[in-house]
Parts: sequence; C-alpha cells; structure tokens
Amino acid sequence: AQKITQTQPGMFVQEKEAVTLDCTYDTSDQSYGLFWYKQPSSGEMIFLIYQGSYDEQNATEGRYSLNFQKARKSANLVISASQLGDSAMYFCAMRGTYSGAGSYQLTFGKGTKLSVIP
Amino acid sequence: NAGVTQTPKFQVLKTGQSMTLQCAQDMNHNSMYWYRQDPGMGLRLIYYSASEGTTDKGEVPNGYNVSRLNKREFSLRLESAAPSQTSVYFCASSEGPDTGELFFGEGSRLTVL
Repeated sequence: AQKITQTQPGMFVQEKEAVTLDCTYDTSDQSYGLFWYKQPSSGEMIFLIYQGSYDEQNATEGRYSLNFQKARKSANLVISASQLGDSAMYFCAMRGTYSGAGSYQLTFGKGTKLSVIP
Repeated sequence: NAGVTQTPKFQVLKTGQSMTLQCAQDMNHNSMYWYRQDPGMGLRLIYYSASEGTTDKGEVPNGYNVSRLNKREFSLRLESAAPSQTSVYFCASSEGPDTGELFFGEGSRLTVL
C-alpha cells in the first residue's frame, strides 16, 4: 500500500521568511512521482511542483523547491521569502506506477495549513 | 482556456435522491479522476479512468458509479445519496495515469440532508 504522511496540521511563518513543509511517503514502487499542491481558501487546487523518483536534482519552481531525500523517503516543500498570499492548505501527493486495472496508486496527504504573519 | 469544468458547483440533496456530477476537460488528457475532500481527511480517490473506455475503483468507491462518456467527459453518479456523502467533490485530469500533473476542476460542494 502507498501512504503519504504530513505531520504538521498547521504552521506559522513570518512574512519574508522561509518555511519547510514536511512530507514523508511509503511505497514499494521503484518509479513514482511526488507532487505538491496549494489550496487557498477559495478552494481550487493549484499545482506547485513535481519530483520524479529518478530525478537526480531537486525540483525548483520560482520560490518553491522540493527537498527530495530518497533514502529517507521524504519530499519536503520549501517556500522561500514567504508572502501573505502563501497562506493556504498545502498537500503532498504521490503517484505510483500504473500497471493496469486495479493497480493504480495515487495518494494525497491530509495537508498542512500554512499561515503567513505580516 | 477552460481546463477542467465541473457542474454543478453546489447541490443540496435529500437522503435517497440521485444525482450526477459532470466533468469535462479540454486538454486532450487520457486520464480522469474523481476525488472527495472531507475536513481533516485530505483528498481521497473515488474512481479513475486511466484511458477512454476504462474505469476503475479508487480508495472510497462505495455508493458511487462513474461513466467515461468519451475522452473529454467523466461523470460521477450517486444513485441513492446518504448524509455520509456530504463532501466537496473534485474532478481532475492528467496526460496519462503516470504522466503529468493533475489538473483540477473548481470543485462541487454537495450537501445531503
């Protein structure tokens, strides 16, 4: 079975500071992908960043970077220079290898609520 | 530039009523998904369609049925709604079952009384 764990229900960060949101995963697949999504209070799901299990470099997208430690099975999201608009729920997700009907593993964590303080 | 479109956005049902949530994507994606989101539970996969013509159960399929009408459209049906199905439902799509990120619709808030 596949599992995503986000251990921080809520986090606070000062505006302009960096913050790390934790995500650990468990899978038996050799090939998998890890995602982070942002859900603001308006409710939509916004894709932030992706890391493939075979990618050697940590993924970066603007102020977002993914600290991928394969041996520790962690995929933490780092947000640099936090802004007030970063206040939202953040979800870590994992996609395993698809090998036909009944095999699909696509799992989200329970999320971390980030609040940015002015 | 619609992306993934879900209808309706809000619905109130009485226990035992049926309804269908509609979803369409215009990105020529092969794979489509239905999730439900409940407080404290994150998103849980109800059903997915890896490609046109196929559908398969996810983590929480009981009480739901789906139809992949064509490559663009993937509907979710509640045959006899129950209060436990009160939730926010998201449709999503991706290039393939293990390629590309998921693009989400705006969500449909369903209340079952």
